[in-house]
Amino acid sequence: SYELTQPPSLSVSPGQTASITCSGDKLGNRFVCWYQQRSGQSPVLIIYQDSKRPSGIAERFSGSNSGNTATLTISGTQTLDEADYYCQTWDSSSNSWVFGGGTELTVL
Amino acid sequence: QVQLVQSGAELKKPGASVTVSCKASGYTFTNYGFCWVRQAPGQGLEWMGWISAYNGDTNYARKFQGRISMYTDTSTNTAYMDLGSLNFEDTALYYCSRTARGQGSGYALDSWGQGTLVTVSS
Repeated sequence: SYELTQPPSLSVSPGQTASITCSGDKLGNRFVCWYQQRSGQSPVLIIYQDSKRPSGIAERFSGSNSGNTATLTISGTQTLDEADYYCQTWDSSSNSWVFGGGTELTVL
Repeated sequence: QVQLVQSGAELKKPGASVTVSCKASGYTFTNYGFCWVRQAPGQGLEWMGWISAYNGDTNYARKFQGRISMYTDTSTNTAYMDLGSLNFEDTALYYCSRTARGQGSGYALDSWGQGTLVTVSS
């Protein structure tokens, strides 16, 4: 089955840029979504189709996907961005949605 | 606005079954589908399956096949997920989420319910 790999944790200072990676075989050939899950809350879609932002999502969130790696970039990271971030794609060989293991972003 | 409101917490014994509901509002129900995703305590997100509210087509994750069932009631705009033969490892927060009425790459989970805690305990 297809697997997505994320770093378990990342720490950045407020105002810095955070880059969260998501790796998978030929991932660049698939669309990737990103979800933010703050503590005790439901996940929220923040990026879809690699780089598109849903309405209401701050411009500081951006995404890219090429080769074997998709990247979520948070520019000017704020303390309210502290959350778990999950990448997700579709695996056509198994007809299933696949999630990465999640990255815990700490802003301090 | 789109809202997905799930049923309340459940406490079940091993071997029992549970039904979680997800009532949708704010959009045309049959134009979309649902994914069910669960999250064990302190763990990541796990996809369980998908159902189209358009035609009732389903697709279950291999891990749950044989003990999961998803269905919708278009008269009440509600999606349901049944999970049977519960064991301790099924203790988790269960989410419904809205997605496309079809499957494939590029379809995101654009709205999520508040989650339903299912606890399996003897």
